[in-house]
Amino acid sequence: GDSVTQMEGPVTLSEEAFLTINCTYTATGYPSLFWYVQYPGEGLQLLLKATKADDKGSNKGFEATYRKETTSFHLEKGSVQVSDSAVYFCALSDQKGGSEKLVFGKGTKLTVNP
Amino acid sequence: EAGVTQSPTHLIKTRGQQATLRCSPISGHTSVYWYQQALGLGLQFLLWYDEGEERNRGNFPPRFSGRQFPNYSSELNVNALELEDSALYLCASSFGLGQPQHFGDGTRLSIL
Repeated sequence: GDSVTQMEGPVTLSEEAFLTINCTYTATGYPSLFWYVQYPGEGLQLLLKATKADDKGSNKGFEATYRKETTSFHLEKGSVQVSDSAVYFCALSDQKGGSEKLVFGKGTKLTVNP
Repeated sequence: EAGVTQSPTHLIKTRGQQATLRCSPISGHTSVYWYQQALGLGLQFLLWYDEGEERNRGNFPPRFSGRQFPNYSSELNVNALELEDSALYLCASSFGLGQPQHFGDGTRLSIL
């Protein structure tokens, strides 16, 4: 079945450092890809999305590009802030046969120190 | 615009009891999804409701069930609770197939 693999971390960075969280997927067909963020004690917030190959999703300084040839959707940010500390989940939308569900990676915990 | 709301925030039960979790979707959304976030198991898809019908089900036993009401709100029922049912249960809603899912803050279910 479909699956998502992401670096599990934890990742610890200093403020203003560059961030990359790797995400690769396995899917038949052409899934939509998402990054969600979960702050402590909260649910998931949609961070960005891409629906087809070569699409770039971006939001709040975060970016990810849908790479079909490498089946990847790596999350990047040029300069992280303390407020970016959270758990980040990569996910794909499986819509085979008219069904609908998100398949998530295991999450990457990011801590940004001042 | 109000987001997805879930109640209660926390729920404490004992083994063998039944639990009911509730979810109100974003206004205009017709699809509701339930996910379980258990320690060490990550986020797993439970159920998808759309227009009042169950459309898809994850790999969970039948004691996990639910329904969607005419106003698109939803309930998740878990019968014969087991210790391993302790988890954060997240509800999400969307405009339908292929649209982004938006999540609530979850219900923390603890089984003693």
